Amino acid sequence: NAGVTQTPKFQVLKTGQSMTLQCAQDMNHNSMYWYRQDPGMGLRLIYYSASEGTTDKGEVPNGYNVSRLNKREFSLRLESAAPSQTSVYFCASGGVAEAFFGQGTRLTVV
Amino acid sequence: GQQVMQIPQYQHVQEGEDFTTYCNSSTTLSNIQWYKQRPGGHPVFLIQLVKSGEVKKQKRLTFQFGEAKKNSSLHITATQTTDVGTYFCAAYNFNKFYFGSGTKLNVKP
Repeated sequence: NAGVTQTPKFQVLKTGQSMTLQCAQDMNHNSMYWYRQDPGMGLRLIYYSASEGTTDKGEVPNGYNVSRLNKREFSLRLESAAPSQTSVYFCASGGVAEAFFGQGTRLTVV
Repeated sequence: GQQVMQIPQYQHVQEGEDFTTYCNSSTTLSNIQWYKQRPGGHPVFLIQLVKSGEVKKQKRLTFQFGEAKKNSSLHITATQTTDVGTYFCAAYNFNKFYFGSGTKLNVKP
């Protein structure tokens, strides 16, 4: 049982480049989330999807887009990366009882 | 939106000492969850509390939910080096998890 799988694990981008972070879960959860984690800032919600076909903004959505491709997959896209987007990104899925996190993507924008 | 405040931000203890982190909200919470994140790892669910005044134990860890359901605490008795990490509280509401900023625990052997 893989749980939540995120790819890639590490990525270095140049300012202005674009990329998509992939996330898939095999627990049949309706809800999926994207968080970023910066030192001393905890986990900040970027976007979430309460069900297939719906997406909503979280606390820090600027500079990001998401796609809920199907019930399993929820991707996060950076259209034009900026150094301020250097962070660790976590995908999660879950519901009322608990959230399950992926291993994280460490993104550096230079 | 929901605000969950967590203190302290950091805690350094000697192995064997106790540790407590606190989570507070200005509004009544329907539930509170606790997660642990090891250095370099991802948050992992520890427990959920839903009832007013609820107390749950997991070995050396004791979790409490306040009577008014506006605060919660995690207490670790006799810390060990394996307890090192960041502890987060989170509240689930309106289809979202609202995380506290976390308490980073360092344990000196």
